[in-house]
Amino acid sequence: EAQVTQNPRYLITVTGKKLTVTCSQNMNHEYMSWYRQDPGLGLRQIYYSMNVEVTDKGDVPEGYKVSRKEKRNFPLILESPSPNQTSLYFCASSLGQSSYEQYFGPGTRLTVT
Amino acid sequence: DQQVKQNSPSLSVQEGRISILNCDYTNSMFDYFLWYKKYPAEGPTFLISISSIKDKNEDGRFTVFLNKSAKHLSLHIVPSQPGDSAVYFCAAPDNYGGSQGNLIFGKGTKLSVKP
Repeated sequence: EAQVTQNPRYLITVTGKKLTVTCSQNMNHEYMSWYRQDPGLGLRQIYYSMNVEVTDKGDVPEGYKVSRKEKRNFPLILESPSPNQTSLYFCASSLGQSSYEQYFGPGTRLTVT
Repeated sequence: DQQVKQNSPSLSVQEGRISILNCDYTNSMFDYFLWYKKYPAEGPTFLISISSIKDKNEDGRFTVFLNKSAKHLSLHIVPSQPGDSAVYFCAAPDNYGGSQGNLIFGKGTKLSVKP
C-alpha cells in the first residue's frame, strides 16, 4: 500500500530534550516536506527536500532541522524543543516539482512542557 | 499576509443538500489549486484540483469552480453525505516564492453534514 508513515504518532516531552520525528514514504517520491498545523493558522511548511541531500527552509523553519540521506526518509529534528513547538506535525511527499498533489502522513501530535 | 483565505470556519448542511465551500486568493500568479479533506486524527487527503486554464473540474459528487477575475474558487458537494463531515482545506502551490512546491493552505472550513 502506497503510504507516508510517521513515528511517533503522539509525543509528550520536556523543554530542551532533543527529539526526532521520523517520516518514511514507499512511493519513490522525490519531494518531501514537513508542515505544522496550529489552531487558526492552517498548515505551514517547515522544511522541504527536492531530492536526496537537497533540503531548504519553508515558512517556519526556526527551531527545526531536517536531513535527507535516503530518498524514502525525511526525519524532523528538534534539537532543543520549546513549548511554542507544541503542535500537530505532518510529513508529505510528492513525485516532484511538477506534481502538486502531495500525500500526507497521519500526523504526529507533539506536546512540549 | 494570507495568500489563501477561507473565511468561513464552519458550515453545517443537511444530508442530501448542496455544500458550498469558498476560497479566495490574493496572489494572481497562482495557477493551480487543490482541495484537501481532513478527518480527525488523520492526515489531509487530496480531493480535487483545478488548473487556471479551466473554470470547472468535476469528479463525481465534487465540483470545483474557479473565477480568476474574482480570485475566487468554490467546492460544491452534491448531494452531501454524513461521511463528508470533515475539515476542507484550499491550497495553492507557491511556485514563484522561495519554496518551490510549497503548498500554501487556507485555514480550513469544518463541514458538518447532518442526517
